[in-house]
Amino acid sequence: ETGVTQSPTHLIKTRGQQVTLRCSSQSGHNTVSWYQQALGQGPQFIFQYYREEENGRGNFPPRFSGLQFPNYSSELNVNALELDDSALYLCASSLNGGLIQETQYFGPGTRLLVL
Amino acid sequence: DAKTTQPPSMDCAEGRAANLPCNHSTISGNEYVYWYRQIHSQGPQYIIHGLKNNETNEMASLIITEDRKSSTLILPHATLRDTAVYYCIVDRETSGSRLTFGEGTQLTVNP
Repeated sequence: ETGVTQSPTHLIKTRGQQVTLRCSSQSGHNTVSWYQQALGQGPQFIFQYYREEENGRGNFPPRFSGLQFPNYSSELNVNALELDDSALYLCASSLNGGLIQETQYFGPGTRLLVL
Repeated sequence: DAKTTQPPSMDCAEGRAANLPCNHSTISGNEYVYWYRQIHSQGPQYIIHGLKNNETNEMASLIITEDRKSSTLILPHATLRDTAVYYCIVDRETSGSRLTFGEGTQLTVNP
């Protein structure tokens, strides 16, 4: 158990819809990173939030957006869902926003299925 | 970005040491080697990381070659619960918090 929680655990949406996924970081951590993991592949970095600001982004289109709140919890929003968005979405929390070497603590993920 | 190469799968007998290799021939001088694992249906779990010296913690040992072009993760006494996908990652930033995962090695520990 890492102390990182995600909700919901599973979600089914249809193509074109919008979805919001939520993550509560480990106590004391101010950085949240989001990853997408397609079936059979490793996680792919989407973006990171540090102290409520976006702090780096991977190769994902603008319809993937995020937010971090003053308590450092975070949301991942995906608009105009496509079938290829079906994946496990992972969030990871850490302490220093990439300022120094650190490790990440991952949540259990939200499994999204787009029909 | 430096990339890593790992065998897609490995088997190990319970109680024996599991040695998982990783090649990272294009690693830069300031890049660290990280190992994470992912047990089925769970999020990845940090194991260990290092720069150039060998490292050991309660979970595993990390052996990095002198030229830093390859490394080996050692689980000294594998158990059935160590069955997982193991990812060797060379971080593209100095932080280790924006990781580029490859496909990893599926380690199966057999009774």
